[in-house]
Amino acid sequence: EPEVTQTPSHQVTQMGQEVILRCVPISNHLYFYWYRQILGQKVEFLVSFYNNEISEKSEIFDDQFSVERPDGSNFTLKIRSTKLEDSAMYFCASSAGAGEQFFGPGTRLTVL
Amino acid sequence: DAKTTQPTSMDCAEGRAANLPCNHSTISGNEYVYWYRQIHSQGPQYIIHGLKNNETNEMASLIITEDRKSSTLILPHATLRDTAVYYCIVRSRNNNAGNMLTFGGGTRLMVKP
Repeated sequence: EPEVTQTPSHQVTQMGQEVILRCVPISNHLYFYWYRQILGQKVEFLVSFYNNEISEKSEIFDDQFSVERPDGSNFTLKIRSTKLEDSAMYFCASSAGAGEQFFGPGTRLTVL
Repeated sequence: DAKTTQPTSMDCAEGRAANLPCNHSTISGNEYVYWYRQIHSQGPQYIIHGLKNNETNEMASLIITEDRKSSTLILPHATLRDTAVYYCIVRSRNNNAGNMLTFGGGTRLMVKP
């Protein structure tokens, strides 16, 4: 069964460093998403991406964040200058249409 | 998207049916009811969705009341592996919009032997 994959599974970085989280969505899907979950808190929407542009973003997704689909398979989330409060699980998701979204296993980001 | 209300936690005996309720009294006509679950620290997993009619798949059944103000997710024979947080989410479907999912606190289902 096709699935969303994410790399790395765990990323440790120093405050102020740039990180890139990678996702490979399900191959025939057209909509892509990033969510995050701070430990013990709710899953929060960050951004959605369709037709090579951002279609919706939350207040969390400020100028420090960017997304890219550099080729036909990868979807990346970049955090330009990480802060301690960026420590969280980051989940990528994809969907074929406007319906159900399929999530990856997540990347645990730890900012020291 | 309409707000949903779910109990914070529930217990269920292994092998019995787990019935998870959700209230969504402000749901509008074009909004669907979606259910996802999250097993400890894993990515949320899609379970089922519906608009008006009851739905069933290999994982669960979804019963939506006639006025659509509430719904129940039924896991017919709960196993220990069904222990998870279950999220009821109401949203419309728009092919030109973001289609973000808004997760609440969900119901923490504990399946006990």
